[in-house]
Amino acid sequence: QVRLQESGPGLVKPSQTLSLTCTVSGGSIKSGGYYWNWIRQHPGKGLEWIGNIYYSGRTYYNPSLKSRVSISVDTSKNQFSLRLTSVTAADTAIYYCARGNFIVVEPAGIWFDSWGQGTLVTVSS
Amino acid sequence: QSMLTQPPSVSAAPGQKVTISCSGSRSNIGNNYVSWYQHLPGTAPKLLIYQNNQRPSGIPDRFSGSKSGTSATLGITGLQTGDEADYYCGTWDSRLSVGVFGGGTKLTVL
Repeated sequence: QVRLQESGPGLVKPSQTLSLTCTVSGGSIKSGGYYWNWIRQHPGKGLEWIGNIYYSGRTYYNPSLKSRVSISVDTSKNQFSLRLTSVTAADTAIYYCARGNFIVVEPAGIWFDSWGQGTLVTVSS
Repeated sequence: QSMLTQPPSVSAAPGQKVTISCSGSRSNIGNNYVSWYQHLPGTAPKLLIYQNNQRPSGIPDRFSGSKSGTSATLGITGLQTGDEADYYCGTWDSRLSVGVFGGGTKLTVL
């Protein structure tokens, strides 16, 4: 059974870059045709999809974050990573990594069958 | 403001049935597959339903999903206190090329 674990700083200063890594265990990040996703949840709010990456490097990003976000993959370490630049307090959230099934041609779909436990990132000076 | 609209809360007694609605538009629910998640605060969300009405292995048949037009519904029968959680619908929006979630519905089992 695949497991995902987020890691990274829990506190980031405003205007700096948020960097998180998701380590995948119990399966290869290259197998199964999955896309690897980042999702966040602002305090007391719902879920927000940030973007995803295929092991080949193909990415899709939320248009509302596209100018600030970058997702990369390291297949040798079975990890993928998130970078979010120029953060503000509005980026304070619990960040989840998740394995996704992704169909981009209609009927399209994206669903997440394995999730990490989430990591709280606070943006504050 | 979420692109998908869910009721903020629903409640029912143990053993009863509850439904949670999720309303969208043609570019998301109307043309694409819907999924549903159960989320207990402090834990990882759990996939309950994918492709509108499919259950992953290990999810009991008390949980069901359906879709009609631009709306989807999650049904839960035989409610248990352990079902108290937040429930989210999700899908892909083809017009904006973005994954979208509903705002979430808090289920209370009275």
